[in-house]
Amino acid sequence: EPEVTQTPSHQVTQMGQEVILRCVPISNHLYFYWYRQILGQKVEFLVSFYNNEISEKSEIFDDQFSVERPDGSNFTLKIRSTKLEDSAMYFCASKSGSNQPQHFGDGTRLSIL
Amino acid sequence: EDQVTQSPEALRLQEGESSSLNCSYTVSGLRGLFWYRQDPGKGPEFLFTLYSAGEEKEKERLKATLTKKESFLHITAPKPEDSATYLCAAPSTGFQKLVFGTGTRLLVSP
Repeated sequence: EPEVTQTPSHQVTQMGQEVILRCVPISNHLYFYWYRQILGQKVEFLVSFYNNEISEKSEIFDDQFSVERPDGSNFTLKIRSTKLEDSAMYFCASKSGSNQPQHFGDGTRLSIL
Repeated sequence: EDQVTQSPEALRLQEGESSSLNCSYTVSGLRGLFWYRQDPGKGPEFLFTLYSAGEEKEKERLKATLTKKESFLHITAPKPEDSATYLCAAPSTGFQKLVFGTGTRLLVSP
């Protein structure tokens, strides 16, 4: 069964450094998302991406964050200058149509030191 | 503001002991209600979508139902492998972001 894949599974980075989280969504999907989950808290929306542009972003998704779909298969989340509070699980999700369910990857655990 | 609330936070069952999890939502113009299962260290795994009040969906020992204000996930004769966190989510306006509840941590003991 097709699945969303994320790399790396765990990323450890010094505060202030840039980090890029990578995702390969399911191949025929058109809508792409990033969420994060701080340990013990609920899954929170960061950004949605459709038709090669951001369609919605949350208050968390400030100028330090950016997303890109550089080719037909990858979808990346970049954090320019990481902070301690960016430590979380980051999940990528995709879906095929507007009222279809989102399918999630297994996440990247980001640890900021 | 769109909100999803789940109860209980945690539930401990003996194998074979049936129960229900609750999800209440305040989302204007509901366009579906989603249930996911999350195992430790993993991403949410899609279980069900419910679109209208009165709708029911079943998968093995799980059955999800929907009313105008809440959804239930019924677990019949659970097994230890059903232990996981069950998440409820509703899409916000425009089918963009999912608004998640905090989940119910289910532990089924043999």
